[in-house]
Amino acid sequence: DAMVIQNPRYQVTQFGKPVTLSCSQTLNHNVMYWYQQKSSQAPKLLFHYYDKDFNNEADTPDNFQSRRPNTSFCFLDIRSPGLGDAAMYLCATSGSLVPEAFFGQGTRLTVV
Amino acid sequence: GQNIDQPTEMTATEGAIVQINCTYQTSGFNGLFWYQQHAGEAPTFLSYNVLDGLEEKGRFSSFLSRSKGYSYLLLKELQMKDSASYLCAPARDNYGQNFVFGPGTRLSVLP
Repeated sequence: DAMVIQNPRYQVTQFGKPVTLSCSQTLNHNVMYWYQQKSSQAPKLLFHYYDKDFNNEADTPDNFQSRRPNTSFCFLDIRSPGLGDAAMYLCATSGSLVPEAFFGQGTRLTVV
Repeated sequence: GQNIDQPTEMTATEGAIVQINCTYQTSGFNGLFWYQQHAGEAPTFLSYNVLDGLEEKGRFSSFLSRSKGYSYLLLKELQMKDSASYLCAPARDNYGQNFVFGPGTRLSVLP
């Protein structure tokens, strides 16, 4: 059973049109992460939540926002997608009792 | 800030042993993870070291030296399915597993 679920798996959006990617988890983990991964590169941390406490990476563009309305759900909003934002977006969770992070299968975003 | 360094690519032969090194400098430190990522898939957890020394888990072992900012992942009895990227990820904070990935090492296992 999938524990970290990302929807949709593939998303096509128009240049400049806002898009939202979603992530849900059944693990009741208090930490949730969003990573961006471009081709042949390692995943890059955009931000993470510890419970409701939002932590933005210093080099994450303002174009990227996030919401976490409850423990189970987290959203990534891209306000005005550019061609350079085409990538795989990975959501992950971790808890305070186990060291490892659990990843969703990712959403591949295409910008046209 | 943080600085994480790994070799970009490595090649090894099936059945051999390979060691993937990682050096890091981070503003905080709460252990170090290794993840495996096959092409087109999400990363999967391999190991977590919080104390100095070697942790062995089957064919995979991971070593940490906190004073040197150094870790390695040792893969024994290589199999073709071990061809993947290996990501070193120091955890930065004390309250959780706030970690960033290094650039990754792409390992190719040849027959």
